[in-house]
Amino acid sequence: EIVVTQSPATLSVSPGGRLTLSCKTSQTVSSNLAWYQKRPGQAPRLLIFGAFNRAPGIPARFSGSGSGTDFNFTITSLQSEDFAVYYCQQYNNWPPWTFGQGTKVEVK
Amino acid sequence: VQLVQSGGGLVQPGGSLRLSCAASGFTFSSYWMTWVRQAPGKGLEWVANIKQDGSEKYYVDSVKGRFTISRDNTKNSVYLQMNSLRAEDSAVYYCARDRGRSFPSDYWGQGTLVTVSS
Repeated sequence: EIVVTQSPATLSVSPGGRLTLSCKTSQTVSSNLAWYQKRPGQAPRLLIFGAFNRAPGIPARFSGSGSGTDFNFTITSLQSEDFAVYYCQQYNNWPPWTFGQGTKVEVK
Repeated sequence: VQLVQSGGGLVQPGGSLRLSCAASGFTFSSYWMTWVRQAPGKGLEWVANIKQDGSEKYYVDSVKGRFTISRDNTKNSVYLQMNSLRAEDSAVYYCARDRGRSFPSDYWGQGTLVTVSS
């Protein structure tokens, strides 16, 4: 089973600021990694697939990079609606399709 | 695209529950379908998925032998039959669609709460 590790667990950022989240996998997953946004009481929302491709309708301030075992997710010019928990998920080696433990982005 | 879930609720340990997810707005029979859960205060956990024709099914180890995923392409619906429920199965369960087993889930249902408690 591929273990997915996200860091940090929590990140405090000011509105308008920029952040970068990290996701590492225990084995290579090529570019088969996605990023999701999860707000309380809402369903997860796919933001990035294939490590760096924005899903339809996702603003350009969201971006992803990396391949193999090390991945990053960046939000520039943070908006109020961006304060949420972000998860990465690998879908290269399965089952299981594994998620990271999440990074909470909170208001500084 | 819409995925509308039903069937959650409160059940005693050892009991059973069946979750349903009705799809619309896309060709249901062309997509894998997935169930993901989130326990209170915890992260997302993939639970099970099923191929377009139902010929392949996968489960997380913790539910194998207790949960069964199925689908009815004539009703555009996917189901999760949950038996021998445990307290640790308490979570919000989401259904989602995948273009394939090597694709992420791009649309999700609204979630349904399952509480296992006496």
